[in-house]
Amino acid sequence: RKEVEQDPGPFNVPEGATVAFNCTYSNSASQSFFWYRQDCRKEPKLLMSVYSSGNEDGRFTAQLNRASQYISLLIRDSKLSDSATYLCVVIINYGQNFVFGPGTRLSVLP
Amino acid sequence: EAGVTQFPSHSVIEKGQTVTLRCDPISGHDNLYWYRRVMGKEIKFLLHFVKESKQDESGMPNNRFLAERTGGTYSTLKVQPAELEDSGVYFCASSQLTDVGYEQYFGPGTRLTVT
Repeated sequence: RKEVEQDPGPFNVPEGATVAFNCTYSNSASQSFFWYRQDCRKEPKLLMSVYSSGNEDGRFTAQLNRASQYISLLIRDSKLSDSATYLCVVIINYGQNFVFGPGTRLSVLP
Repeated sequence: EAGVTQFPSHSVIEKGQTVTLRCDPISGHDNLYWYRRVMGKEIKFLLHFVKESKQDESGMPNNRFLAERTGGTYSTLKVQPAELEDSGVYFCASSQLTDVGYEQYFGPGTRLTVT
């Protein structure tokens, strides 16, 4: 079983739609959680850190459920520019190296 | 502020040759990481430096890979001799401790093709 699993996608949604991605992690010792986005042939870029209480940044909302070992990302009012691969990232124990999920690809259509 | 930079952006070499990748982290970041994405797979951790010391090299695939960070500034990753399965994109990242942990900032990557 992979340490971090994500919805396989791809998600094809119209502009203005709301879309949610799910991520599960297998190691209960996971400590820190992030969402990164990666455009085609580019580097991963930090979208948001995920706090225990959940957090919101504009159109983006992240939730963490430690009991279920589950993270989610909600994007409201999708824009064409949101098209990318969304990577769920976990830090296990008190290490610092990232464990990446395989990513979920989003295409926002006009 | 300049981001993480990597050189070269692309490298095509033959099996058995040597290649050295370079990473310049964000100024002031003590933590430097190397990752690799091979085709069709997720990004995988290779190793982590804190300043000039190797903190964790558990992800290094074998002894053909050698990473250095002399002086705690830039880092190099040498592959010698290269094999076909070493092809992929090598990302470098750097970080400094923040309130939520170690948010990492990635460089543009070096795309390595071994033929």
